[in-house]
Amino acid sequence: NFMLTQPHSVSESPGKTVTISCTRSSGSIASNYVQWYQQRPGSAPTTVIYEDNQRPSGVPDRFSGSIDSSSNSASLTISGLKTEDEADYYCQSYDSSNHPWVFGGGTKLTVL
Amino acid sequence: QVTLKESGPVLVKPTETLTLTCTVSGFSLSNARMGVSWIRQPPGKALEWLAHIFSNDEKSYSTSLKSRLTISKDTSKSQVVLTMTNMDPVDTATYYCARITVATIWRIDYWGQGTLVTVSS
Repeated sequence: NFMLTQPHSVSESPGKTVTISCTRSSGSIASNYVQWYQQRPGSAPTTVIYEDNQRPSGVPDRFSGSIDSSSNSASLTISGLKTEDEADYYCQSYDSSNHPWVFGGGTKLTVL
Repeated sequence: QVTLKESGPVLVKPTETLTLTCTVSGFSLSNARMGVSWIRQPPGKALEWLAHIFSNDEKSYSTSLKSRLTISKDTSKSQVVLTMTNMDPVDTATYYCARITVATIWRIDYWGQGTLVTVSS
């Protein structure tokens, strides 16, 4: 299996833009879609990005996703940061045939 | 309204078998475009995918835990059951079930609230 590596933590001020990376250890990041999940303290995760850059209904367009084949990584970008964005964020992808699934180690976003 | 609710023991002893039930509403487990996954999260740690089950009863398991896991469903009861054998304290975690749906790929669109399982003697 491959691994997805995320920074342990990032912080930024309200109103600013932050980007969280997710690097795939083997296999092409572009070959299998990446999903991103937000988990606020004490709550279950929710999906904020699916299929690399698609937003579920109800997720604000401040959230965007992208992939970079040169670095074999995916990124979640949150613009116009709000204090409510403070949460853990996890990337997830898969191997062939859509399973098994792999989650990244998570990134704690602090908005201060 | 789609909901998923996990239920099962709060505390299990080492070596015991854990049985968790996910009761769903707002959709049918016979829907060809839907399935259910189990994911767990040890306290303060990352999410870990465990298993999927699809409407046609196809199953998929985590490679590292495959020998200990069994996933099944009872469509008439709208329930998905996960069993994990030979429980160990490192299996202490919040266990989530989630609905997966397919468009281009299978993805999670709804999560349950999770249930915390502690493994201790």
